[in-house]
Amino acid sequence: SAVISQKPSRDICQRGTSLTIQCQVDSQVTMMFWYRQQPGQSLTLIATANQGSEATYESGFVIDKFPISRPNLTFSTLTVSNMSPEDSSIYLCSVRPSDTYEQYFGPGTRLTVT
Amino acid sequence: ELKVEQNPLFLSMQEGKNYTIYCNYSTTSDRLYWYRQDPGKSLESLFVLLSNGAVKQEGRLMASLDTKARLSTLHITAAVHDLSATYFCAVDWALGKLTFGTGTRLTIIP
Repeated sequence: SAVISQKPSRDICQRGTSLTIQCQVDSQVTMMFWYRQQPGQSLTLIATANQGSEATYESGFVIDKFPISRPNLTFSTLTVSNMSPEDSSIYLCSVRPSDTYEQYFGPGTRLTVT
Repeated sequence: ELKVEQNPLFLSMQEGKNYTIYCNYSTTSDRLYWYRQDPGKSLESLFVLLSNGAVKQEGRLMASLDTKARLSTLHITAAVHDLSATYFCAVDWALGKLTFGTGTRLTIIP
């Protein structure tokens, strides 16, 4: 299994500012993923964070808006840049350990942009 | 583009009744997940279904996968209040990249 922690757990931010969300895993994993869950909605994949290479973004998400770092095999950050109220969501980190088919999700970061 | 549809979106059940949530997806995949989400919480993994005909059961919940029909079901037996939550299916289309269904908000009524 994998235990994932995220910081902060929640934040209220002003329009136009940026927030960096941290994701820490208790074991080394090759692939980490960032998902967004808008209020009352399902989850959508933002990007895949690979250690040692650029993150891969899904359609509708761009690096300038959601820069990602992956400095090692247990840690990643997602920055939400130049925020607007439409960015108010829960952001979740997810991992797939190589020795299992399970996919684990962190507790999420609840972001409110005013 | 992979599409994942769940139905129903909302479900109110009486305690003790049985019901099924359906998850249809549009392209081939051999890996399907079911998650539970309580209000204000993250996702709890329920089942991972890895092959055609896979069936898994845990307590009052049973999930199955038919890859030929591109259909998974989550069956609830003799519902109890503790099962009230939102349930998501998710299809793996590329090594951990999941497309989620719309979710089914389940409410169990005493």
